[in-house]
Amino acid sequence: AQSVTQPDIHITVSEGASLELRCNYSYGATPYLFWYVQSPGQGLQLLLKYFSGDTLVQGIKGFEAEFKRSQSSFNLRKPSVHWSDAAEYFCAVGAPDDMRFGAGTRLTVKP
Amino acid sequence: DTGVSQDPRHKITKRGQNVTFRCDPISEHNRLYWYRQTLGQGPEFLTYFQNEAQLEKSRLLSDRFSAERPKGSFSTLEIQRTEQGDSAMYLCASSLTPGQIGDEQYFGPGTRLTVT
Repeated sequence: AQSVTQPDIHITVSEGASLELRCNYSYGATPYLFWYVQSPGQGLQLLLKYFSGDTLVQGIKGFEAEFKRSQSSFNLRKPSVHWSDAAEYFCAVGAPDDMRFGAGTRLTVKP
Repeated sequence: DTGVSQDPRHKITKRGQNVTFRCDPISEHNRLYWYRQTLGQGPEFLTYFQNEAQLEKSRLLSDRFSAERPKGSFSTLEIQRTEQGDSAMYLCASSLTPGQIGDEQYFGPGTRLTVT
């Protein structure tokens, strides 16, 4: 069965520092992988997605993620975090009609 | 394009009452999805529609949950005889048919249900 694990419940980084959020998945075939961000009172917004091809995916707001099949991982990165990046981040796997989300990682940004 | 909207944004109800939530998708989107999100968890898929056809409903949480999309536009999610365990955020998303460019799911702000 497909599943997603986000090992870090909460991460705190200083503004300007780099960020990496971890995501590990279990999926029977080539996975469809997504990262979403959720700010309080807002709907989930898609940051980036991977279906096939280049394993380094660029997204919006300066985010990127790398698909590593050998490690079953799809970690999200940003070289320099801004205070406005504070939010909840969700990794998801699966086809559109059967998406499974991780439990999320809450990001706090220190000034 | 005003995005996906959901109504109401908050609902407080007493246990045993029925509640209905509405979702208005992006107008050209023929796919519509419902999810539930409990505190500290990611969204959990419930059901989805392709136009007016409900193509998956086996993951609705119980037979107290039902959803409709009668004209292929807006959708409603109804919970009958609510229980305290139904307290959660109910999210709606819409998309183009998968396989089309720009077929990602766009989420609404959710309806937060509190059952007292």
